[in-house]
Amino acid sequence: DQQVKQNSPSLSVQEGRISILNCDYTNSMFDYFLWYKKYPAEGPTFLISISSIKDKNEDGRFTVFLNKSAKHLSLHIVPSQPGDSAVYFCAARFGNQFYFGTGTSLTVIP
Amino acid sequence: NAGVTQTPKFQVLKTGQSMTLQCAQDMNHEYMSWYRQDPGMGLRLIHYSVGAGITDQGEVPNGYNVSRSTTEDFPLRLLSAAPSQTSVYFCASSRPRAGGPNEQFFGPGTRLTVL
Repeated sequence: DQQVKQNSPSLSVQEGRISILNCDYTNSMFDYFLWYKKYPAEGPTFLISISSIKDKNEDGRFTVFLNKSAKHLSLHIVPSQPGDSAVYFCAARFGNQFYFGTGTSLTVIP
Repeated sequence: NAGVTQTPKFQVLKTGQSMTLQCAQDMNHEYMSWYRQDPGMGLRLIHYSVGAGITDQGEVPNGYNVSRSTTEDFPLRLLSAAPSQTSVYFCASSRPRAGGPNEQFFGPGTRLTVL
């Protein structure tokens, strides 16, 4: 059973606007959450993370929000740029194992 | 630094054949892992290692073997390939740090087709 879910397979956003990617999880024992970005024919690259004891982490244009009571996290990209077009995976850590969502394909329209 | 390298990039096997997917990293990372990516399934952990000589199973270990004789290398063996093992395989490494998420560095992937 999928412990980390990304229910939106795709998202399109105009350049300069905000992109919001969502992720839900079921295991309350996850201690870290991470976002990865993946271009075609490449491996995922780390973007940003958040500890389970925090509710927000910001790095430049990227902000991750964590709502533990709802078991929900989101990645905000502001402003969105065409180079942000990629597949975004959220991941969660429990012990030495990482659990990934199915990914959301973001298209930023110039 | 080459980072994480994987060979081969592409491979076609017949059912029942065996092969080894190679993974190497030059960052002196203790933690290494193998994932498979399938459509609609995201990345799923096959096996991982927290250091030389130590390996453990992930979510989907059946049909795969690993070993970790050095810090740098973490090969993945398919003993008897099956069509269900058709997938894209990613190797990753990281250096665990106290109080940190140990973000992983991924290789470029191996696309495997089993006929």
